[in-house]
This record gives sequence, C-alpha cells and structure tokens, in this order.
Amino acid sequence: QPVLTQSPSASASLGASVTLTCTLSSGYSNYKVDWYQQRPGKGPRFVMRVGTGGIVGSKGDGIPDRFSVLGSGLNRYLTIKNIQEEDESDYHCGADHGSGSNFVYVFGTGTKVTVL
Amino acid sequence: QITLKESGPTLVKPTQTLTLTCTFSGLSLSTSGVGVGWIRQPPGKALEWLALIYWDDDKRYSPSLKSRLTITKDTSKNQVVLTMANMDPVDTATYYCVHRQLTGGYNWFDPWGQGTLVTVSS
Repeated sequence: QPVLTQSPSASASLGASVTLTCTLSSGYSNYKVDWYQQRPGKGPRFVMRVGTGGIVGSKGDGIPDRFSVLGSGLNRYLTIKNIQEEDESDYHCGADHGSGSNFVYVFGTGTKVTVL
Repeated sequence: QITLKESGPTLVKPTQTLTLTCTFSGLSLSTSGVGVGWIRQPPGKALEWLALIYWDDDKRYSPSLKSRLTITKDTSKNQVVLTMANMDPVDTATYYCVHRQLTGGYNWFDPWGQGTLVTVSS
C-alpha cells in the first residue's frame, strides 16, 4: 500500500500563498489523493481530490476558490492563495488502495498551516 | 444535508470492549452506493481509517485492527455501530463517523461527524 508523506508544518503571511505537498511512495504515481482540512478542535472536512490531471470532481461544500490543486509525478499539491486567518488548520491527505477485501484507506501525517 | 453524530462512552478500561454508535440523517443505508465508516485520531497524531459498511452489508476493515473490530448497521434506526475489543491505552483517540458514496466515482469521505473522544485508562 502507498505511504503518503507530508511536511509537519507550513506558514504564510496573511494574504500570501502557501503550497502543501503530499508525496506518494514509489510505484503509486497514478493514485489520486484526497485533501481534508481540520480546523483547531474540529472534525476534518473534505477539500478536494487531485490526480495527475488536476482536480477530480468538485470541491467540498464551502471550500473557497482560493484553494486549488495540482498533481505531478508522485506529488499532489494543495495551494491556498490569499490565505486568510480561517485557513489556519491541519491539512491531511488520504488515498484509497486496493479493492474488495484488500481495500484500505491510508492517510498522511498531516501538515499544520500557520497564518502569520 | 447529511449529518452524522457519534455517541458512546468517554472512558473505558483496558481490556474492555468499546461500543460506538453513529446516528445519521440525510442519507439511507438502504440506498445503493451508500457507505458509513469510522476513522480515529489519537491526540496530536495522524488520522487512521478503521472500518466501512455499505448499503448491501459489505464490510471493510483496517488489516491491522481487523481481529478487534466489528461494524454493523441498523437501517431502520439510521445507525451504524462499531465495536472494538480488548481496548488499550494506545486506543485513546477521537473517533469520527464518516459518509462515503460509491456511485459516480466520487468516493471520498464527506461529511464527517464532530467526533467523540474516548480515553482508555484504568
């Protein structure tokens, strides 16, 4: 099954941009990744899914246009432009692996985003 | 609008069995393609997927926890129950209930419940 690697932390000044990376382990370059936002003290919420062709489907409810994704090789990126205070959250990536009785869903370790 | 809410004990003793209930609205587990599952998060740590159950009673479990987990559904009550046997302090976590829709290929977890914190301690 794939391993998803995320940096522990990232920061950006109010109004600036930040890009988060979720890196798939070798051999899984065709996998799609889901991004989730988790505000302090809250449950996660779905942001959007990304493959090598970009976004898959639509964004989650209430996700602003300043959130976008790209995919390249083993990397799946989440970019937040014009970052706002309410974007300060933990961001998790996750992915399906396998099917039937071999199905598993794996998560990365999450990236904590701080708005300066 | 789909909503999910977790309920269950906040404190369990080591070796006990944990029983958590997810009560949902805005969806039906008798509708083709609908699934409900559980994900947990130890304090300050990563999310971990645990189990899923689908409208046709098909079930999926985390391989590392399969021997300890049982997921069931009560369609008439709009509930899904997760039991985890032989609880240990390392199982201390916030447990989330989630919705997953298989149809259309957009099978991400959305939405999530608010979560319930379970502490394992004697």
